[in-house]
Amino acid sequence: DAKTTQPNSMESNEEEPVHLPCNHSTISGTDYIHWYRQLPSQGPEYVIHGLTSNVNNRMASLAIAEDRKSSTLILHRATLRDAAVYYCILRYSGAGSYQLTFGKGTKLSVIP
Amino acid sequence: DADVTQTPRNRITKTGKRIMLECSQTKGHDRMYWYRQDPGLGLRLIYYSFDVKDINKGEISDGYSVSRQAQAKFSLSLESAIPNQTALYFCATSDTGSSYNEQFFGPGTRLTVL
Repeated sequence: DAKTTQPNSMESNEEEPVHLPCNHSTISGTDYIHWYRQLPSQGPEYVIHGLTSNVNNRMASLAIAEDRKSSTLILHRATLRDAAVYYCILRYSGAGSYQLTFGKGTKLSVIP
Repeated sequence: DADVTQTPRNRITKTGKRIMLECSQTKGHDRMYWYRQDPGLGLRLIYYSFDVKDINKGEISDGYSVSRQAQAKFSLSLESAIPNQTALYFCATSDTGSSYNEQFFGPGTRLTVL
């Protein structure tokens, strides 16, 4: 299975942009890049996903490198509520595409 | 009201006891999942079900069993609990018809086995 590498932790000041990196050098052409986050004492929640092109939604933006070997989740203005563990996950698009393989993720701290 | 609910939210039990964790959903999704999370780690898949008649083992199914009583209900059983099953357990759902395969998670059940 293709794996992802993320920093263990990051800090950001409130109301500043945050760039959360993810390396996935062994990604295959059929793997989607998904991001989930887990707020304290809650279950994970979906943030965004993409295949090749950059993506935007109400929560965040996803920037995908041209070679797809890395991606960056962008929170445009961090708030205290964004403090969470962020997981970068590769989801195979074929048979078995139900499975999400969670790594340790990046713990984001937001400083007031 | 929450779309995915789990009961109980916290449970302390003793080694050797049988315990059942329950999950209910009102999202109308056909797929349901059970994960466990150990401190400082990500989630690992225990079992998953694509419909009422479909049950599949995940990465770490040993020591666990499941039952899909209805489309909306999926329960996880520990037949004889042991201390290393102490963990946070999450139920999740998804919709086969969704191209995202986005999974929606419940709030979790914290299980302690003494």
